Amino acid sequence: RKEVEQDPGPFNVPEGATVAFNCTYSNSASQSFFWYRQDCRKEPKLLMSVYSSGNEDGRFTAQLNRASQYISLLIRDSKLSDSATYLCVAPAYNQGGKLIFGQGTELSVKP
Amino acid sequence: NAGVTQTPKFRVLKTGQSMTLLCAQDMNHEYMYWYRQDPGMGLRLIHYSVGEGTTAKGEVPDGYNVSRLKKQNFLLGLESAAPSQTSVYFCASSPVLGIQYFGAGTRLSVL
Repeated sequence: RKEVEQDPGPFNVPEGATVAFNCTYSNSASQSFFWYRQDCRKEPKLLMSVYSSGNEDGRFTAQLNRASQYISLLIRDSKLSDSATYLCVAPAYNQGGKLIFGQGTELSVKP
Repeated sequence: NAGVTQTPKFRVLKTGQSMTLLCAQDMNHEYMYWYRQDPGMGLRLIHYSVGEGTTAKGEVPDGYNVSRLKKQNFLLGLESAAPSQTSVYFCASSPVLGIQYFGAGTRLSVL
């Protein structure tokens, strides 16, 4: 089993839709998680951090379910500009600050 | 504020040639990383550094060497380039675990 797994998609949704991505992780000792966004052929950029139960930032909500070992990202009222690949990330503790990246979930928001 | 700067942005090599990719950060971060990204593979860690003068291997270190002689610079060397090293290379620096700032990437083709 991969340490961090994501559904690669693509998720094709209309503008205004609500879309949710899930990410599962295997290391039950992980304490915090992160969502990064990557636009086509660009560098990844931090979107949100997820500590304890969850985090909300405008249209974006990230939640952590420790019992089931998954993290979710919810995007409400999708915009065309939300089209990107969303990367789920878990730190590899006691390994020098390494991060473990999921393969990413591709989102395409259509007019 | 430049953040993380990678040079060069593009490069074409012939098999067997060597080259060095430079990553420079102006944020005084201790941690620096080199990743490669290939279609369908996600981001894979090549080498990383937890401070000036220190380096460590990541997931895919073979064929690469690194040096961190100065805190702000992290160099990635390809000793004898192979077509399998055709990829997009990203450098990142980090102030704390989980939060990484990426450079714009270097697109390398090995013929």
